[in-house]
Amino acid sequence: ILNVEQSPQSLHVQEGDSTNFTCSFPSSNFYALHWYRWETAKSPEALFVMTLNGDEKKKGRISATLNTKEGYSYLYIKGSQPEDSATYLCAPYTGTASKLTFGTGTRLQVTL
Amino acid sequence: GAVVSQHPSWVICKSGTSVKIECRSLDFQATTMFWYRQFPKQSLMLMATSNEGSKATYEQGVEKDKFLINHASLTLSTLTVTSAHPEDSSFYICSAKPLPGNTIYFGEGSWLTVV
Repeated sequence: ILNVEQSPQSLHVQEGDSTNFTCSFPSSNFYALHWYRWETAKSPEALFVMTLNGDEKKKGRISATLNTKEGYSYLYIKGSQPEDSATYLCAPYTGTASKLTFGTGTRLQVTL
Repeated sequence: GAVVSQHPSWVICKSGTSVKIECRSLDFQATTMFWYRQFPKQSLMLMATSNEGSKATYEQGVEKDKFLINHASLTLSTLTVTSAHPEDSSFYICSAKPLPGNTIYFGEGSWLTVV
């Protein structure tokens, strides 16, 4: 079983703050890393699929970077808004496992 | 974006009965669908990979005779929890992977309570 760690487990920020979370995963047999945003009572929303070392992807105020050699990815949110409140999940996809293995997520709460 | 619909969202059943959960890809064909389970404060755990027209591949520790998976068409996979017991109470969620593409899309999930 892959060990996927996300930190922090939860985060409470004020509107307008920028924030970032970490996803750590084994670097061997890496194929891709998926980031999801999961709001309560909704489907997890795919944010990014990252494959290359040094990859940086951006979607609005959210961006992510990937380091496959050391096995980590950062997710950044610039100028957090209340609608960003959600659980952010990362899941590496490895060649050996041929499946997504999820971390427990980072729960973000943005207040006014 | 692609839409995956899961039904029912909530279900309560009596111990010993069976319950079926459906997962449909609404606007794409999915040769592969995945079924996950999540217990409180834990991560999503893959139960099985469902392949259209063939038998599902179950993860270690998941009883294939208890969790029956059928993927009869390119847009529908079903998970049947047979002879449900209270310890099967959990959140079940499916996902589907269209071809081509790397993105995997999720349903809304189903809460199962066995009483």
